[in-house]
Amino acid sequence: AQKVTQAQTEISVVEKEDVTLDCVYETRDTTYYLFWYKQPPSGELVFLIRRNSFDEQNEISGRYSWNFQKSTSSFNFTITASQVVDSAVYFCALLPDNFNKFYFGSGTKLNVKP
Amino acid sequence: EPEVTQTPSHQVTQMGQEVILRCVPISNHLYFYWYRQILGQKVEFLVSFYNNEISEKSEIFDDQFSVERPDGSNFTLKIRSTKLEDSAMYFCASGGLSTQETQYFGPGTRLLVL
Repeated sequence: AQKVTQAQTEISVVEKEDVTLDCVYETRDTTYYLFWYKQPPSGELVFLIRRNSFDEQNEISGRYSWNFQKSTSSFNFTITASQVVDSAVYFCALLPDNFNKFYFGSGTKLNVKP
Repeated sequence: EPEVTQTPSHQVTQMGQEVILRCVPISNHLYFYWYRQILGQKVEFLVSFYNNEISEKSEIFDDQFSVERPDGSNFTLKIRSTKLEDSAMYFCASGGLSTQETQYFGPGTRLLVL
């Protein structure tokens, strides 16, 4: 089965706090790709990162960092020093190698208050 | 930077009417997709298209739906007889030279069926 679980439906933080969005995935494929997308209130899906299953290196991009752990099937996303502009719904997605489509999680709505 | 575009951004239609949603994928991409997001829910795969034919479709993509790439640039989704439950945001996506490449999403068309 292919599945992505984002257990946190909604998170509220105050500006400058760090926040971690959880993502747990299930797949039988040995090769797969993991993604995070941001959906601001305007509705578009903004690509943030892609990770290959054979590359467990964590990645940092400015205030964003991602922690990929195959042992726990998790691909968590941390925003450091959050800002109001980070307020959005964040989706984690799985692209298994043998399936030509994304499996999206249900999303986590992040509210960053000033 | 190349991007996927979609028109219209919003469409309101009466139940039973036909609608055509249009997408212009990134120019050198070979794989095209439609996804749907009912308000407040996760993004769901509808159909993938490669080499002028459907490569995969979900159970949502029934006989009321069809896709076409009529002129080598546009990629369209047609809903023949819209139902209330077709109200959703429809995202077009395109991917590069293989199914494992990142899919880039358009800004979406918000369809409302009355």
